[in-house]
Amino acid sequence: AQSVSQHNHHVILSEAASLELGCNYSYGGTVNLFWYVQYPGQHLQLLLKYFSGDPLVKGIKGFEAEFIKSKFSFNLRKPSVQWSDTAEYFCAVQSSGAGSYQLTFGKGTKLSVIP
Amino acid sequence: GAGVSQSPSNKVTEKGKDVELRCDPISGHTALYWYRQSLGQGLEFLIYFQGNSAPDKSGLPSDRFSAERTGGSVSTLTIQRTQQEDSAVYLCASSLLGFNQPQHFGDGTRLSIL
Repeated sequence: AQSVSQHNHHVILSEAASLELGCNYSYGGTVNLFWYVQYPGQHLQLLLKYFSGDPLVKGIKGFEAEFIKSKFSFNLRKPSVQWSDTAEYFCAVQSSGAGSYQLTFGKGTKLSVIP
Repeated sequence: GAGVSQSPSNKVTEKGKDVELRCDPISGHTALYWYRQSLGQGLEFLIYFQGNSAPDKSGLPSDRFSAERTGGSVSTLTIQRTQQEDSAVYLCASSLLGFNQPQHFGDGTRLSIL
């Protein structure tokens, strides 16, 4: 069975600091990788996705993530965070081996940005 | 455009009662998923509907949980004889059919069992 590990439960940063959230997954086959964000009181929104091709993917709001196949990692980055980035971030994996294509999520990382 | 719609947004009920949660997917999306988000467990897959195919129920935690999807659109998740451990946010997502289709989530139903 596949699993997703997010290394940080809660990250606190000052505005303009750089962000990197770690995500590792376990699955040996073909995967799609996602980062979702959940702002306070809102629903899960897709931040970015990787299906194939360039392992460096860019998403909304200045976020990017890099897929490193050899490390089974898909870390999320942003050069300079803003207070509005305060939210919970979820890494998710979708495998080609699971016929129903359900997402397997990490436990989430709560990001607090201090003005 | 309209997103995934879930109702009710909040539900409080007594232990032992049955509850029904509703999901209205994005128009044209033939794939529909139910997930559960609870403290300590994170987001867990429950059930998947794909067009007219038999649903994938592999994530349902017990036989008290069931779901149906009528007419390939609206879905209802039913929990019978609710227990306190059923308290969670139940999320519905929909997508176009296929491996490379991102899932779009609704706002969820927050279920509290007293």
